[in-house]
Order: sequence, then C-alpha cells, then structure tokens
Amino acid sequence: DVKVTQSSRYLVKRTGEKVFLECVQDMDHENMFWYRQDPGLGLRLIYFSYDVKMKEKGDIPEGYSVSREKKERFSLILESASTNQTSMYLCASSSRGHGYGYTFGSGTRLTVV
Amino acid sequence: GESVGLHLPTLSVQEGDNSIINCAYSNSASDYFIWYKQESGKGPQFIIDIRSNMDKRQGQRVTVLLNKTVKHLSLQIAATQPGDSAVYFCAENPPDYKLSFGAGTTVTVRA
Repeated sequence: DVKVTQSSRYLVKRTGEKVFLECVQDMDHENMFWYRQDPGLGLRLIYFSYDVKMKEKGDIPEGYSVSREKKERFSLILESASTNQTSMYLCASSSRGHGYGYTFGSGTRLTVV
Repeated sequence: GESVGLHLPTLSVQEGDNSIINCAYSNSASDYFIWYKQESGKGPQFIIDIRSNMDKRQGQRVTVLLNKTVKHLSLQIAATQPGDSAVYFCAENPPDYKLSFGAGTTVTVRA
C-alpha cells in the first residue's frame, strides 16, 4: 500500500526551539507539499517542491523553511518555533504534471508552548 | 486570489439518508476536481475525482456532479453510514497544478 509517512503524530516544543518535521513517500512522486490546517482556515500551503533540491514558497512561508535532499523526503523546518505555529501539519505528494490528486500523510499535531 | 469554498460548514444527516455536500469554485480555468474525506486524527483521503470534460462520475456509494456553467461541484453519498462522519473537502486543480482546497464541511451522521 503506497503511503506518505510523517515521522511524528504529536509533538510538543518550546518557544524558540528549532523544529524538524519529516515526511517520506514511497511512490516515487516528484511533487511534495507541506500544509498547515487550522480550524476555520482549511488547508494552507506553506512550501512545495517539484524536484530534488528545489523549493517554492506557498501562501504562508514566513517562519518556515524546507529541505529536499532526496526525492522521497521533504522536511519542514521551524527555525524558531512560536505559539502561533501550533497547528496540524500535513505533508502530501503527487505525480508530476497536471490532473493528479495528492496523497496525504496522517499529519503531525504540533503544540508550541 | 481565487479560492474554493464549500457552502455549509456543517451537515447533520440521519443514518440511511442520502447526503449532499456542495462546493463552489471560482477559477474557471480549473479542469480537475477532487473530493477528500478527513476523519478525526487522520490525513485527508481521496474519495473521487472528476475532470472538466465530464459532468458526473460515480463511485461506490458516492457520486460527484460538476456544473461548469455555475462553477459548482457536489458530492452525493448514498445511504449514509456512521463511518461517513468526517470532514469533506473539495479541491480544484487550475493550470498551475497546485490544488486549492475549500475549508471543509463537517458531516455528522445521526443514529
């Protein structure tokens, strides 16, 4: 069964910490995405990547960075965590090209205290 | 910017009845649409998709209808079951091929 795996289901971090969220897909997908999901705001795109070592800003990139050193792995980095980054983070992947849906991971619920 | 939205944030349905979840999209250039289901504590899961050269597509107990004239998408669930309780998202795929998602409709099935 193909899947997108996020390394942690729940994380609690302190304000100011550097936080790494890891995502791995086994579908040989070119495209990978990071979203955050908040009540009433839906899914908001943070960063995405269309290939190894490339990245593009999404709609809300401030306070985040990403890394894609290998095709199967896409990491989201919170350089200095803040309480307003408490959220559900979802990773997704898709095939290259138009007209393909995303496969999502199970999500990481991050709480910054 | 353009966005995808759902008409109602919540929907309560009697078990066994049919459910209809609506979605309005705004990008007339979108040519691919998807419905996702997200259960509590899980990531969104693909339910069904439709391309703009179709106006109806059926799956197992689900039907998606596309009305391009009024830019409207709907998901119909037949004989709703308790396991159908979830948040449902529509998504559109404009030519830049990043999906745009609506805020979601929470479906609650009453026993």
